[in-house]
Amino acid sequence: AQTVTQSQPEMSVQEAETVTLSCTYDTSENNYYLFWYKQPPSRQMILVIRQEAYKQQNATENRFSVNFQKAAKSFSLKISDSQLGDTAMYFCAFRDSGAGSYQLTFGKGTKLSVIP
Amino acid sequence: DAGVTQSPTHLIKTRGQHVTLRCSPISGHKSVSWYQQVLGQGPQFIFQYYEKEERGRGNFPDRFSARQFPNYSSELNVNALLLGDSALYLCASSLVGSGASGYTFGSGTRLTVV
Repeated sequence: AQTVTQSQPEMSVQEAETVTLSCTYDTSENNYYLFWYKQPPSRQMILVIRQEAYKQQNATENRFSVNFQKAAKSFSLKISDSQLGDTAMYFCAFRDSGAGSYQLTFGKGTKLSVIP
Repeated sequence: DAGVTQSPTHLIKTRGQHVTLRCSPISGHKSVSWYQQVLGQGPQFIFQYYEKEERGRGNFPDRFSARQFPNYSSELNVNALLLGDSALYLCASSLVGSGASGYTFGSGTRLTVV
């Protein structure tokens, strides 16, 4: 079974600074997908960024980028120019690419606070 | 387009009762998944449905059941509620076979069992 570990329960960053959230995972699969989701107090899980394991290039979405290290099974999220609206819980998630394997496995989350 | 809608937003039930939670996916999405998120934890997979058939089930007891309707909306049912069932229940819809496009989540139903 796949597992996802987020070792930082809480983090804080000054507004406009850069912060990196860590995520490691364990799987025996070669092809899979990785995601970062943001959950603000409104409770809705919002997709931040995704990565396909067969792509070596790290995904980027505006101020958000990942450092995907397949051999190390590491998938960290970097937030540049942090904004107050980035304050939220961040969850790393894994999904097997096999047919019919659509479930997401989540980590326990990192609570990020952006300080003015 | 409307996003994933869930109802009700909040619910309080007594131990032993039954509850039904509802979810309407994004238009065009044919797959619905249910997740349970206990306070302070990441979501845990409960069920996935596609074309009215169960395609995946997480490690939850038989008290949990679900179904999907012809319009792709879905219901999650929980019987004989326990205090430990208190959680945020999230519904997510997706295009089957969409690869890495991920899932779109609703805002959830907060269930409190007393």
